[in-house]
Amino acid sequence: QTVVTQGPSFSVSPGGTVTLTCGLSSGSVSTSHYPSWYQQTPGQAPRTLIYSTNTRSSGVPDRFSGSILGNKAALTITGAQADDESDYYCVLYMGSGLWVFGGGTKLTVL
Amino acid sequence: EVQLVESGGGLVQPGGSLRLSCAASGFTFSTYWMSWVRQTPGKGPEWVTNIKQDGTEIYYVDSVKGRFTISRDNAKNSLYLQMNSLRAEDTAVYYCATGPYSGDFAYWGQGTLVTVSS
Repeated sequence: QTVVTQGPSFSVSPGGTVTLTCGLSSGSVSTSHYPSWYQQTPGQAPRTLIYSTNTRSSGVPDRFSGSILGNKAALTITGAQADDESDYYCVLYMGSGLWVFGGGTKLTVL
Repeated sequence: EVQLVESGGGLVQPGGSLRLSCAASGFTFSTYWMSWVRQTPGKGPEWVTNIKQDGTEIYYVDSVKGRFTISRDNAKNSLYLQMNSLRAEDTAVYYCATGPYSGDFAYWGQGTLVTVSS
């Protein structure tokens, strides 16, 4: 069974740039997986940041961007702010109607 | 304003059943794919199942196939999840969500907690 992989944690300084990645235990992520990114703070439901690789959801600041980097999907935060400190999850389409979330990356801004 | 309100969660013994409901408002429910997504505290979300607007396409994660059934009533703007043969590993907060459309689960409810324990 293919697993969606994410780094467990990351740290960035305020104003800095960070790139979070989302890969597959077997194979490469492509646009056909419709990689999408979610932000979640404690006690809240996930919120869409990016869907279908690089489409920013309504109301999401343009400091968030999505792309494919090598064999992984990537979420880049440019000019990180304190309230970007959250858990970030990616989700991939695996075909046959099936979607799989990654285990998440905890981002610290300090 | 889009609202999704889940209900029906609670404590159930292993092997038992629960039926979750999700009441939708603020959007044209009948035009949206709908999903159930669950999350165990401290872990990532897990997509469980989704259903097409008219109910003609339904998909499940392997771990719930044969035990869970998703359904919808467009006249009542409601989504349901019938959960049978529950296991400890089904313990989670269950969210209903719109979509996904190209990966976008755009709107989520507040979730309802299901605890499977003896």
